Amino acid sequence: GQNIDQPTEMTATEGAIVQINCTYQTSGFNGLFWYQQHAGEAPTFLSYNVLDGLEEKGRFSSFLSRSKGYSYLLLKELQMKDSASYLCAALLNQGGKLIFGQGTELSVKP
Amino acid sequence: KAGVTQTPRYLIKTRGQQVTLSCSPISGHRSVSWYQQTPGQGLQFLFEYFSETQRNKGNFPGRFSGRQFSNSRSEMNVSTLELGDSALYLCASSTGLAGGSSSTDTQYFGPGTRLTVL
Repeated sequence: GQNIDQPTEMTATEGAIVQINCTYQTSGFNGLFWYQQHAGEAPTFLSYNVLDGLEEKGRFSSFLSRSKGYSYLLLKELQMKDSASYLCAALLNQGGKLIFGQGTELSVKP
Repeated sequence: KAGVTQTPRYLIKTRGQQVTLSCSPISGHRSVSWYQQTPGQGLQFLFEYFSETQRNKGNFPGRFSGRQFSNSRSEMNVSTLELGDSALYLCASSTGLAGGSSSTDTQYFGPGTRLTVL
């Protein structure tokens, strides 16, 4: 079956660095997305990894290892507005189908 | 470029009724995917339409159906509503081409339709 695991909750301090891990077991894997979702809002795109390695985009970086079925999202210089749910999602079957993890609720404290 | 739009934003229905939700994708996008989000199950894939054809399907009962029009707009229908169908229904659009880059593969989400079944 298709399975994606990520921690349910994490807490970090403003200005710090946090790493959110995601492991997946899927068939027909194309790539790995990270989305951010604030309460009551739609998910917004953060990053996409197709090949192994690190993708950096400002304060956010994402890593993928296809052989290990593992990804992480790294958030640097945390701000209060980063408090949100972070969703790991695998793109399957030549596109169009995303399988999501349950989401990691990140709380940033002053 | 305008984003993904969904109508209506909120709906209240009673058990046994049916409902139709609408999604207009980003201009130029040919793929529309539908998801159900609930606190207990998270985001779950319903189905995807590409060029008016259902290309992928999730594990939902036949009460959930959809279609796509020639302008790529999509509708989702739920018949014989149950209490458990109360959820946020999200649609997302992409090029549908799976080219291996964020420009081709990224799904952009609409604001969702909040459905409450009483």
